[in-house]
Amino acid sequence: KQEVTQIPAALSVPEGENLVLNCSFTDSAIYNLQWFRQDPGKGLTSLLLIQSSQREQTSGRLNASLDKSSGRSTLYIAASQPGDSATYLCAVNPGGGADGLTFGKGTHLIIQP
Amino acid sequence: DAGITQSPRHKVTETGTPVTLRCHQTENHRYMYWYRQDPGHGLRLIHYSYGVKDTDKGEVSDGYSVSRSKTEDFLLTLESATSSQTSVYFCAIAGTGGDGELFFGEGSRLTVL
Repeated sequence: KQEVTQIPAALSVPEGENLVLNCSFTDSAIYNLQWFRQDPGKGLTSLLLIQSSQREQTSGRLNASLDKSSGRSTLYIAASQPGDSATYLCAVNPGGGADGLTFGKGTHLIIQP
Repeated sequence: DAGITQSPRHKVTETGTPVTLRCHQTENHRYMYWYRQDPGHGLRLIHYSYGVKDTDKGEVSDGYSVSRSKTEDFLLTLESATSSQTSVYFCAIAGTGGDGELFFGEGSRLTVL
């Protein structure tokens, strides 16, 4: 059974710092990996999608990498801002079909002004 | 915006009563999913659908049933609600890009007293 772990569970950093969120998964046979952001009381917003054949994806100040063989992904946030405060979720898609995603429990990020 | 609407957004009910949550999408997506989100467990897949009248069970399907009589609506039913089903329920769709990216609704918060 696929298991997804996110470390750390919580992180608080001053504004302006660059930071890295980690995600690991136990079964390297994945179709893709997706990073989400969730604000309190809200739904999930898709940030980045990395296909199994890709090494990284970038969107603005966000960069996600994927090392499928070692079962790891990182989300890099450059020049953090208070508006980046949220919970970040990592999820893997095992087969690309209708199976849905397996989620980690998230990293709760606070950016101090 | 993936055009996903969940209803009701909030509901309080009593143990033993039936509850139906509705997920409506406007973009003719084939794949639809129901997840629940609980502290300490993260998001877990309840049921999913890969077309009209085609559904299958996820990780935590006991106590839930689903129906999809038309493409745009995916219904989640709790036949006899229990306190353990107090949760936030999220509907998701797989985008039409064929890349396996999932998009989520805003969630339905259910409290069973």
